[in-house]
Amino acid sequence: AQSVSQHNHHVILSEAASLELGCNYSYGGTVNLFWYVQYPGQHLQLLLKYFSGDPLVKGIKGFEAEFIKSKFSFNLRKPSVQWSDTAEYFCAVNAGGSARQLTFGSGTQLTVLP
Amino acid sequence: DGGITQSPKYLFRKEGQNVTLSCEQNLNHDAMYWYRQDPGQGLRLIYYSQIVNDFQKGDIAEGYSVSREKKESFPLTVTSAQKNPTAFYLCASRTGGSNEQFFGPGTRLTVL
Repeated sequence: AQSVSQHNHHVILSEAASLELGCNYSYGGTVNLFWYVQYPGQHLQLLLKYFSGDPLVKGIKGFEAEFIKSKFSFNLRKPSVQWSDTAEYFCAVNAGGSARQLTFGSGTQLTVLP
Repeated sequence: DGGITQSPKYLFRKEGQNVTLSCEQNLNHDAMYWYRQDPGQGLRLIYYSQIVNDFQKGDIAEGYSVSREKKESFPLTVTSAQKNPTAFYLCASRTGGSNEQFFGPGTRLTVL
């Protein structure tokens, strides 16, 4: 069965610092990759996704992620974080199949200090 | 206004009681999902349904039941057999040709 690892459980940064959140998955075949964000008191929403093509994908609010197939990784990056980026971030993988189930990582809580 | 609604937002129940969580979507999506979110564990799949009158167990289905009598509705019942029911429950849906899931606002269930 596929699994997703997010090694950073809680990250604390100051505003304007650069961000990189790690995500590794275990599945040898074709995957679809997602980053979701959950702002305090809000719905879980899609930040960005990778299905195929350019491995560097850009999402909303200045976030980007790079798919490195050889490393089974899909790390999330942002060059300069803002206080409003404080949220919990989840990496998810869909490894095909008709049900298109998502397997989620355990999440990373990002706190940005003003 | 299209979207997924879950009600209630907060729910309290006594131990040993069954409770049903509502999930409704007006997105005309075919597939619907129930996840459980616990601190430090991410989201875990409870049940999913790809079409009306059909549903499948996810990774942690024990102690839960669902029904899918209508395309727009996918209620989840947390039974007294669920040993640790206190959690945040999220419902999601997906249109047939897509891999992207859309999430509702969630229901926080507390069993006293």
